[in-house]
Amino acid sequence: EDKVVQSPLSLVVHEGDTVTLNCSYEVTNFRSLLWYKQEKKAPTFLFMLTSSGIEKKSGRLSSILDKKELFSILNITATQTGDSAIYLCAVPFTGGGNKLTFGTGTQLKVEL
Amino acid sequence: DSGVTQTPKHLITATGQRVTLRCSPRSGDLSVYWYQQSLDQGLQFLIQYYNGEERAKGNILERFSAQQFPDLHSELNLSSLELGDSALYFCASSETGVGETQYFGPGTRLLVL
Repeated sequence: EDKVVQSPLSLVVHEGDTVTLNCSYEVTNFRSLLWYKQEKKAPTFLFMLTSSGIEKKSGRLSSILDKKELFSILNITATQTGDSAIYLCAVPFTGGGNKLTFGTGTQLKVEL
Repeated sequence: DSGVTQTPKHLITATGQRVTLRCSPRSGDLSVYWYQQSLDQGLQFLIQYYNGEERAKGNILERFSAQQFPDLHSELNLSSLELGDSALYFCASSETGVGETQYFGPGTRLLVL
């Protein structure tokens, strides 16, 4: 069964800090790994990673995948209060269809 | 705004009742997914439809059913509701249903009293 584990479960930082969120996975046939940000309601898409070692970047957020060690990290530099959210990691199911298996998420709170 | 719409936004109902949640995918997307998010279970996949046909099924209860209509909108029907069905129900859509990013709607918050 596909499995996604995220750590830490939650963290609180001060504005301006850099944070690293972790996601490890176990899947039979890996295709991709996705990161989402969930604030009050719907998860919003951040990154899709398919190739090992290639960093995806969007502003202060970046993510990289290690297919050998089966994990991904999401970095946020110069954090702002608006970064406070739950960050979810997901992998598509390796059987039929395209369901996503999600980790439990990391709750990030950025304080002034 | 992802382009996926869901109605209603909130729903409060009593145990034993039946409700219907509605989802319209992004323009051009053929595949629709339903997820349930509760405090203790996280985001759990329920079911996927592609162009009107069921494509994949998760841990969806027998009391729940879904369908996707010719205009590609989808409905999730929840019947004989129990207190434990209280959750956020998300719909997501993607272009083809194989391997690409899913975009989530704003969700429907269901409270069963």
